[in-house]
Amino acid sequence: EVQLLGSGGGLVQPGGSLKLSCAASGFTFSNYGMSWVRQAPGKGLEWVSSISGTGGTTYYADSVKGRFTISRDNSKNTLYLQMNILRAEDTAIYYCAKRKAMAGSWAFDIWGQGTVVTVSS
Amino acid sequence: EIVLTQSPGTLSLSPGERATLSCRASQSVSSTYLAWYQQKPGQAPRLLIYDASTRATGIPDRFSGSGSGTDFTLTISRLEPEDFAVYYCLQYGSSPPGYAFGQGTKLEIK
Repeated sequence: EVQLLGSGGGLVQPGGSLKLSCAASGFTFSNYGMSWVRQAPGKGLEWVSSISGTGGTTYYADSVKGRFTISRDNSKNTLYLQMNILRAEDTAIYYCAKRKAMAGSWAFDIWGQGTVVTVSS
Repeated sequence: EIVLTQSPGTLSLSPGERATLSCRASQSVSSTYLAWYQQKPGQAPRLLIYDASTRATGIPDRFSGSGSGTDFTLTISRLEPEDFAVYYCLQYGSSPPGYAFGQGTKLEIK
């Protein structure tokens, strides 16, 4: 079964740091681009960052550029999101998501269960 | 940067009725780059439609997607009780590279 399991969320003070992880199983992890998507309480979905299968290409939403870093360890089938200089507006559920196809479709077909990040003093 | 605008914000219908949800892009989008998702409270989003009109695995055929260029539509032919949820469109853009979601349409029971 294809599965993504996110972890690492929690309560952090403004200006602090947190590192999220997303463990993948059931597919050849290194073949697929991966992304992080977040959802603030009561709000819609917001794309955060994406990374290619090899890890050689990364891109970020303007709202997190320079503060967040996406990475992956293909030997451990794990995706990461290092979040620095956290702000109250970063409070959200963070989902990891798998790109549907190695080439072609850019949709996200498999999502993790979400991990909650709360930035508050 | 492409902006996606969904309409209406809220759609109130009864089971058995037809639902038509719109997603408009601020500039022309390749159909390969457009997808639709359903999200229920407390759950992760679920892929319904990708490449603008292809149903994802396991999605009932009452869900269909259409459109091209800047205007895309998700149609639910006959609403079932489990279809009442929030729906989002998603677009991938190559310049600059990245994704954008629409703000969502809440489909509620009338």
